[in-house]
Amino acid sequence: GAVVSQHPSRVICKSGTSVKIECRSLDFQATTMFWYRQFPKQSLMLMATSNEGSKATYEQGVEKDKFLINHASLTLSTLTVTSAHPEDSSFYICSAREIGTGNQPQHFGDGTRLSIL
Amino acid sequence: AQSVTQLGSHVSVSEGALVLLRCNYSSSVPPYLFWYVQYPNQGLQLLLKYTTGATLVKGINGFEAEFKKSETSFHLTKPSAHMSDAAEYFCAVIPKSSGDKLTFGTGTRLAVRP
Repeated sequence: GAVVSQHPSRVICKSGTSVKIECRSLDFQATTMFWYRQFPKQSLMLMATSNEGSKATYEQGVEKDKFLINHASLTLSTLTVTSAHPEDSSFYICSAREIGTGNQPQHFGDGTRLSIL
Repeated sequence: AQSVTQLGSHVSVSEGALVLLRCNYSSSVPPYLFWYVQYPNQGLQLLLKYTTGATLVKGINGFEAEFKKSETSFHLTKPSAHMSDAAEYFCAVIPKSSGDKLTFGTGTRLAVRP
């Protein structure tokens, strides 16, 4: 149980393209989903917290107009990297937390490797 | 702010040897504690967690961790390493007082020698 599906797994595109990444909780409902960015050989950095039916909460230093987040339902959140540039190349990972208290573990997707040429 | 320290960015053990990955947290109030494993080009998989109760927590794949309040530690161990254990391991915390954001340690890459 508790499967999170992230799609696509890999994207290679030209500079200036907008890229949408989907995160779905397959067998549970998630009012809260999280988007992380991971640089090579580094830890995960939280970008934003996605809340179903409301605006996402962005971490300091993350451009909300650059990284658009939509959490349209209890099982789907999307991250759109707008007008992507080579410096946006990274491994993006989403996670979802089952409805409950804060100590419930987050379940992670398999990540999306974004490469901007 | 809460921080998590993982001593040793790289740990190498022989197959069959004890695995010990270290994790210390910084807060005076113990947070919720987690260990995650990440295989190449994949997301994170939860190994185990400590929230309350028994301080020795058993997880998947033969791993366990012990919460020691006096040492502000939550070290991960496995009695006998397998080749398949080679991966990146992250310790993470959620403060009990401030919601649900995970703070990750910098990770430890475990190599297992045949």
